[in-house]
Amino acid sequence: DTAVSQTPKYLVTQMGNDKSIKCEQNLGHDTMYWYKQDSKKFLKIMFSYNNKELIINETVPNRFSPKSPDKAHLNLHINSLELGDSAVYFCASSQGRGVSNQPQHFGDGTRLSIL
Amino acid sequence: AQKITQTQPGMFVQEKEAVTLDCTYDTSDPSYGLFWYKQPSSGEMIFLIYQGSYDQQNATEGRYSLNFQKARKSANLVISASQLGDSAMYFCAMREGSDWSGGSNYKLTFGKGTLLTVNP
Repeated sequence: DTAVSQTPKYLVTQMGNDKSIKCEQNLGHDTMYWYKQDSKKFLKIMFSYNNKELIINETVPNRFSPKSPDKAHLNLHINSLELGDSAVYFCASSQGRGVSNQPQHFGDGTRLSIL
Repeated sequence: AQKITQTQPGMFVQEKEAVTLDCTYDTSDPSYGLFWYKQPSSGEMIFLIYQGSYDQQNATEGRYSLNFQKARKSANLVISASQLGDSAMYFCAMREGSDWSGGSNYKLTFGKGTLLTVNP
């Protein structure tokens, strides 16, 4: 009964490869997010979707492409991986409009390591 | 300027004592929300407590309370009766704007975190 689940948990790959991270939430939320946590533990928003519509794109290289097939899923595809992409990527969800006090619920993170 | 400032990179506390983790924020929006999250060494992000800018009272959730001083733009987290399991990274985060502000309202802006160590 995991609320926000993302797969895989660990991803080790070589520079230049293309990879995807999947995220699913069963909370009935209408807004989903991708955050990146760097080696210094700093968390920064990358993207946000509300009801499958992109609402936030925070100056992320266009090698990163989010896709939301429905409001319960938000996947992240990364092309031509670079060393600097090594980080922990967190998916999150929240109830959007009308309830500003609702927290964002995070998945357990995907640790991406580029060799 | 940083929107969320956590000035304590690390804090130590004895088990069963109380500890305060500092957070100051910067916004010109009258409507905002402040959140605290805990990240243990296992890596997951756990929501702890929320304070809205219009809330009249300080938020409390079990052993967690928020010392909200709006004029000083501070939202410090107080953990009472610390336990060994409280050892973790703690993040303060802010959500600006109302629900009708558009997309920018949805994101959380995080501070750099405070690593709390509870000693037995």
